[in-house]
Amino acid sequence: DSGVTQTPKHLITATGQRVTLRCSPRSGDLSVYWYQQSLDQGLQFLIQYYNGEERAKGNILERFSAQQFPDLHSELNLSSLELGDSALYFCASSGTGGAEDTQYFGPGTRLTVL
Amino acid sequence: AQTVTQSQPEMSVQEAETVTLSCTYDTSENNYYLFWYKQPPSRQMILVIRQEAYKQQNATENRFSVNFQKAAKSFSLKISDSQLGDTAMYFCAFSYGGATNKLIFGTGTLLAVQP
Repeated sequence: DSGVTQTPKHLITATGQRVTLRCSPRSGDLSVYWYQQSLDQGLQFLIQYYNGEERAKGNILERFSAQQFPDLHSELNLSSLELGDSALYFCASSGTGGAEDTQYFGPGTRLTVL
Repeated sequence: AQTVTQSQPEMSVQEAETVTLSCTYDTSENNYYLFWYKQPPSRQMILVIRQEAYKQQNATENRFSVNFQKAAKSFSLKISDSQLGDTAMYFCAFSYGGATNKLIFGTGTLLAVQP
């Protein structure tokens, strides 16, 4: 158990809908990362937050947004869902978000868009 | 742009044997970090080992060790005394800090340990 929690574990929804994925980092970690794992794109970095502020963006679609709250949990919002958004979404956390950090991953949320 | 390449999509090893998974990367950075993550059938991403580029000594964690060749930009993972529980997808990953220490992943190697 990495100490990072993600809810829900599974999510099944229809095209055009909106969903919210939730992540709680390890105790004491200030930085949160979101990754998407799909069959065709592999593991891709989406976005990073540090202590409530956005630090970096990767290949995140405009239909997707995220935030980190004062209690450091993070939410990833996916809207206008398409079939191609079906994937495993991971949250990871690290202490400071610095170069020397190791990221610890949550169990992931499996999103299926029908 | 930084890239990570794993050229072995699948590998198989007998229980108790040794296997080496290959990884190469491309970067112009001098200070960076390399990782191996394991993803078993449960899909959890588990850190196996990490290596700091400024350290010449190869990292070791129990049965797992790396062969880090900085000049060749190579970072292979050796698993000794393979166990059935080692069956998993193994991802090589790279981060270099700067504005973000996001991880850049390879495509993975699926390792099957045979009884």
